[in-house]
Amino acid sequence: NAGVTQTPKFQVLKTGQSMTLQCAQDMNHNSMYWYRQDPGMGLRLIYYSASEGTTDKGEVPNGYNVSRLNKREFSLRLESAAPSQTSVYFCASIALGGGGTEAFFGQGTRLTVV
Amino acid sequence: GENVEQHPSTLSVQEGDSAVIKCTYSDSASNYFPWYKQELGKRPQLIIDIRSNVGEKKDQRIAVTLNKTAKHFSLHITETQPEDSAVYFCAASKGASKLTFGTGTRLQVTL
Repeated sequence: NAGVTQTPKFQVLKTGQSMTLQCAQDMNHNSMYWYRQDPGMGLRLIYYSASEGTTDKGEVPNGYNVSRLNKREFSLRLESAAPSQTSVYFCASIALGGGGTEAFFGQGTRLTVV
Repeated sequence: GENVEQHPSTLSVQEGDSAVIKCTYSDSASNYFPWYKQELGKRPQLIIDIRSNVGEKKDQRIAVTLNKTAKHFSLHITETQPEDSAVYFCAASKGASKLTFGTGTRLQVTL
């Protein structure tokens, strides 16, 4: 049981390049999220998927696209990377139950856009 | 949507002292309030949570209190130890809706 697995762990892109961050969970959760973490700004929601086949925008969706490929996998794509997208990206899988919402995070992707 | 504010942004305490981190939220319908700890270079992990039908919850040296009327909740760490040094995030959600996080508090426990 690996939990939430993100790849890659580190990436350096040139401005204008594209890339896809991969996320997979083996906990059979319906909901999956992508956050970015910047100093002093906490965890900001980029996109989320409440269930397989659905995706919705979060607080900071501009410049990103997502695909919920199946129940296990939720990918984040940067079509044309910009320096402002330099950040640490976390994928999270959400367990629903007992009136609460527990998030299990991947190990993060540190992305630098130069 | 929900807005969560967290204070202070940094907190330094001496080992053995107590630490308190406070959060306020805007949506009175929110009913789930977790706290996450993120050690340097690691992923955030849930340490304690509280639901709106409870006013206080304790787990060894950590406790969380909730005041629904004032829409604020707090994390209390007693007898702090160096391994408590980390960034702490509060969050709020309404039922099965998305989690909204605060901006984080960097806690430094000094010897």
